[in-house]
Amino acid sequence: GQQLNQSPQSMFIQEGEDVSMNCTSSSIFNTWLWYKQEPGEGPVLLIALYKAGELTSNGRLTAQFGITRKDSFLNISASIPSDVGIYFCAGQRNSNYQLIWGAGTKLIIKP
Amino acid sequence: DAGVIQSPRHEVTEMGQEVTLRCKPISGHDYLFWYRQTMMRGLELLIYFNNNVPIDDSGMPEDRFSAKMPNASFSTLKIQPSEPRDSAVYFCASRESSGANVLTFGAGSRLTVL
Repeated sequence: GQQLNQSPQSMFIQEGEDVSMNCTSSSIFNTWLWYKQEPGEGPVLLIALYKAGELTSNGRLTAQFGITRKDSFLNISASIPSDVGIYFCAGQRNSNYQLIWGAGTKLIIKP
Repeated sequence: DAGVIQSPRHEVTEMGQEVTLRCKPISGHDYLFWYRQTMMRGLELLIYFNNNVPIDDSGMPEDRFSAKMPNASFSTLKIQPSEPRDSAVYFCASRESSGANVLTFGAGSRLTVL
């Protein structure tokens, strides 16, 4: 079946550093979503992407819909302690299919 | 809106007991989803409803699991009998009928089966 490869699996960085993570798939997607999950909570939507090449920002977060439609990237600039959590990508082929989820990238920030 | 509301937040039970998890979706959302999250398997879609009708239950692990949505504002996920391997966090999520498959998740129900 379809799978999303999300990397890295975890990141252990210094406060103030920039962060990059990505998701790749062997299938073409029409929608890419990025969610963040904090301990004891459900995933919360950060950014939604609907067009190949689309670049969308949400504060210090920027996500891109890859040109090939098989990948997506999330960048966090100047990380702060509250950025800790697990970041998930999710892709959808079209409205007739449900979301396919990545395994998550766990972000840990050293103060 | 209060968002997607799940209860209980935590449940500890013994093997063989019946477990019922509850969900109230966001008002006006026509789709409701039940997910299970574990370290080993990540987020797994168990079942989803559209306008209170189950559309796809292929993710339900086995007959011990059942889900209902008697009306637009309430859904249950039941496990009977529960087993230790059912221990996980169960999330309910909902979304509108528009084309974008953007889900809003509840805070989850953490189930521990001893």
